[in-house]
Amino acid sequence: SQTIHQWPATLVQPVGSPLSLECTVEGTSNPNLYWYRQAAGRGLQLLFYSIGIDQISSEVPQNLSASRPQDRQFILSSKKLLLSDSGFYLCAWSPGQGGEKLFFGSGTQLSVL
Amino acid sequence: AQSVSQHNHHVILSEAASLELGCNYSYGGTVNLFWYVQYPGQHLQLLLKYFSGDPLVKGIKGFEAEFIKSKFSFNLRKPSVQWSDTAEYFCAADLDSWGKLQFGAGTQVVVTP
Repeated sequence: SQTIHQWPATLVQPVGSPLSLECTVEGTSNPNLYWYRQAAGRGLQLLFYSIGIDQISSEVPQNLSASRPQDRQFILSSKKLLLSDSGFYLCAWSPGQGGEKLFFGSGTQLSVL
Repeated sequence: AQSVSQHNHHVILSEAASLELGCNYSYGGTVNLFWYVQYPGQHLQLLLKYFSGDPLVKGIKGFEAEFIKSKFSFNLRKPSVQWSDTAEYFCAADLDSWGKLQFGAGTQVVVTP
């Protein structure tokens, strides 16, 4: 069966420090991968999606970047964190095109102080 | 701009009461619609989805949703809620069939015994 792993679960970082959140999927190949952010009182906002290795699309302009060095690995990064980067970050995968359902990771609560 | 809106941010009701959560989307083309649920301490998981066909969709745990194209709505219903239905519910729309879901802000549902 397929599983998705996301870590760390919580992270506290100072402003200006770098960020790296990692997400891996097991039990499937060539998944679509997504990074979402959930801000308090708001819905999930799609940040990045990827349909293949090194194929990343950004949905909103921001201080973050994403990379997909391997088929089932998706990394969210920042060189210098801002206070506004605080939030709950969710990785997700789907089997392919067609708007099939997403499977979500457990999320990372990021606090930038 | 394309968006998904949920009518209520917070709902409190007693066990056995009926539940209806409103969801509207703004998009004139073909759209895939979803309801996700997040129980306390758990991952987001799919409750039900609509792609095409019968506009009345039945999901897990006794939930159903009705797609009304003329109203751009996809309301979630359950005739009789249980305490275990306490959770946050998210409506989502896939506007281009790429799995890039746009989420509503979520509705926190609290069911009291």
